[in-house]
Amino acid sequence: GQQLNQSPQSMFIQEGEDVSMNCTSSSIFNTWLWYKQEPGEGPVLLIALYKAGELTSNGRLTAQFGITRKDSFLNISASIPSDVGIYFCAGQLATGNQFYFGTGTSLTVIP
Amino acid sequence: GAVVSQHPSRVICKSGTSVKIECRSLDFQATTMFWYRQFPKQSLMLMATSNEGSKATYEQGVEKDKFLINHASLTLSTLTVTSAHPEDSSFYICSVSAPGKYYEQYFGPGTRLTVT
Repeated sequence: GQQLNQSPQSMFIQEGEDVSMNCTSSSIFNTWLWYKQEPGEGPVLLIALYKAGELTSNGRLTAQFGITRKDSFLNISASIPSDVGIYFCAGQLATGNQFYFGTGTSLTVIP
Repeated sequence: GAVVSQHPSRVICKSGTSVKIECRSLDFQATTMFWYRQFPKQSLMLMATSNEGSKATYEQGVEKDKFLINHASLTLSTLTVTSAHPEDSSFYICSVSAPGKYYEQYFGPGTRLTVT
């Protein structure tokens, strides 16, 4: 499978702070998705990106599809305690309809 | 987002037995479903793509005779872990793609398998 690296691996931040995380790959992807997963549950889709350079927001979340098509970024503004969870990026190659997941970023928000 | 269910949510079985996990798409008919496994504190690893009415496509390194996938209808795919061993203990999650939107995937709540 494909290797997607996310950084940072984990974050501990104060409530109200902004968060930035990224996902990089050696392969070119056609689509990037960002998910949030809470313990014992399946991932929940947050944002979908379909073309290079695209910037999309969903409430306090903003994600961008990198120009090189090999990376993507997710920002969370004014974090709140319920933002706690593991955030995964997922990329879809030009060939096939499978998605490959990143290594995940664990977010802890301290009230 | 779409609603996807999985059954059972948790299962404990003895080594050597087989376990069947169901994945249902409740909002729309899904010609394609995906099966993932996730070990604690790790990412989701794609196991196979389940295609309605045809054989599943397995990722490299995944044994198709051990992880049997049946996608018999447009709303149901099953994953059977045959002759389970403790190392098969994991979190198994399915996902479905919306019709005409293969680039969006919606996940089920997952099934925790423990093999003793």
